Amino acid sequence: QSVLTQPPSVSGAPGQRVTISCTGSSSNIGAEYAVHWYQQFSGTAPKVVIYDDTNRPSGVPDRFSGSRSGTSASLAITGLQAEDEAEYYCQSYDTRLSAYVFGAGTKVTVL
Amino acid sequence: EEQLEQSGAEVKKPAESLKISCKVSRNTFTNHWIGWVRQMPGKGLEWMGMIYPGDSATKYSPSFQGQVTISVDKSITTAYLQWSSLKASDTAIYYCARHSNSRPFSGLDVWGQGTMVTVSS
Repeated sequence: QSVLTQPPSVSGAPGQRVTISCTGSSSNIGAEYAVHWYQQFSGTAPKVVIYDDTNRPSGVPDRFSGSRSGTSASLAITGLQAEDEAEYYCQSYDTRLSAYVFGAGTKVTVL
Repeated sequence: EEQLEQSGAEVKKPAESLKISCKVSRNTFTNHWIGWVRQMPGKGLEWMGMIYPGDSATKYSPSFQGQVTISVDKSITTAYLQWSSLKASDTAIYYCARHSNSRPFSGLDVWGQGTMVTVSS
């Protein structure tokens, strides 16, 4: 049972907008700890696509965006492309565990 | 471009010991926490712990405290993850990654390529 809850899967047609939620609690996201999002293709290392809630590293397309509100955060992908099909993980810090925590991951499928 | 270079795949038997490595640049070694992340077959990411090479301070996830040891060798700017007695359930890919300095409790901005550890009798 992950401390951060993500939907197992989301899907969309090319060009559509999809969002992935990451629900935490008062000891992590609700405590104002930053949320980070990672993209992982099968057989490769994860790569950060959003850091510190809303920031995109250089090289990450601007169709990726992050937001947060209360004890939750979201990753949005607008103008979905076939190359976006991957697993996505959210991460934050949990003060009760004194540890970083990941969500269980969300599989994005491009129809 | 910053890179973290991890050691190669390992196949070990239960109860054996193991130490895997993560070679980093001098800049990363001096200014960043280095973390370790486990990914069991077909599963998600789990943060195990991290080390600050400057003073070898370590922090462990409660799930991994006492199960592994994280260390560094400053002379060769290398971080390590080690087990004293492996179990079959330690079979996984292990990633080292650099914690960003963007703000306190920052994320992992550079990742190693991963080390596959297989434990089987």
